[in-house]
Amino acid sequence: KAGVTQTPRYLIKTRGQQVTLSCSPISGHRSVSWYQQTPGQGLQFLFEYFSETQRNKGNFPGRFSGRQFSNSRSEMNVSTLELGDSALYLCASSLGGGTPTREKLFFGSGTQLSVL
Amino acid sequence: AQTVTQSQPEMSVQEAETVTLSCTYDTSESDYYLFWYKQPPSRQMILVIRQEAYKQQNATENRFSVNFQKAAKSFSLKISDSQLGDAAMYFCAYRSAKGGTSYGKLTFGQGTILTVHP
Repeated sequence: KAGVTQTPRYLIKTRGQQVTLSCSPISGHRSVSWYQQTPGQGLQFLFEYFSETQRNKGNFPGRFSGRQFSNSRSEMNVSTLELGDSALYLCASSLGGGTPTREKLFFGSGTQLSVL
Repeated sequence: AQTVTQSQPEMSVQEAETVTLSCTYDTSESDYYLFWYKQPPSRQMILVIRQEAYKQQNATENRFSVNFQKAAKSFSLKISDSQLGDAAMYFCAYRSAKGGTSYGKLTFGQGTILTVHP
């Protein structure tokens, strides 16, 4: 079974641009979560989607948005990029459904975003 | 809000020896889950071990075990018979057992870099 796939692996953008990152969950997983990882702030939760609905959201500005498609694939968008948005963006998927086993997160290898 | 603290930015251990990584957390909730994740240079987060707060028995997974002290809000990871492949960044993480605010959300500590010397 293929793992969580994130594309692209690396991305370079300039300030003011927007970017879209993609995440394909493990087959059969309906929940996708996104995290931002930086040396200064560590790992921070962005949002979670389940069956195309956002169920949970972290404390990030509205420039950060996401969506989930009917095949459970998810995209994350950051508009009007700032230097501080440079980070590793990790996606994780789970079966979803509330029990500890179904909520177990499987992570991808991330997209490294550099904003110049 | 919950917080997770890892007070050891770096640790090192000799191959085949035992090492313990520390983690403390703060929460007002009584039901939650605690995790240790490993992040090697490949950047993929890998679940090492999980502990349910309602279970008094400490979790074990092969060479990995935890010391869960609920009253002290402490959750340390012991790695026995350390191997070169154990070298990585280790993160302690918390997840609420409540619906809604718990969906997909882990609160992570700052991480501990573990070096394994041959």
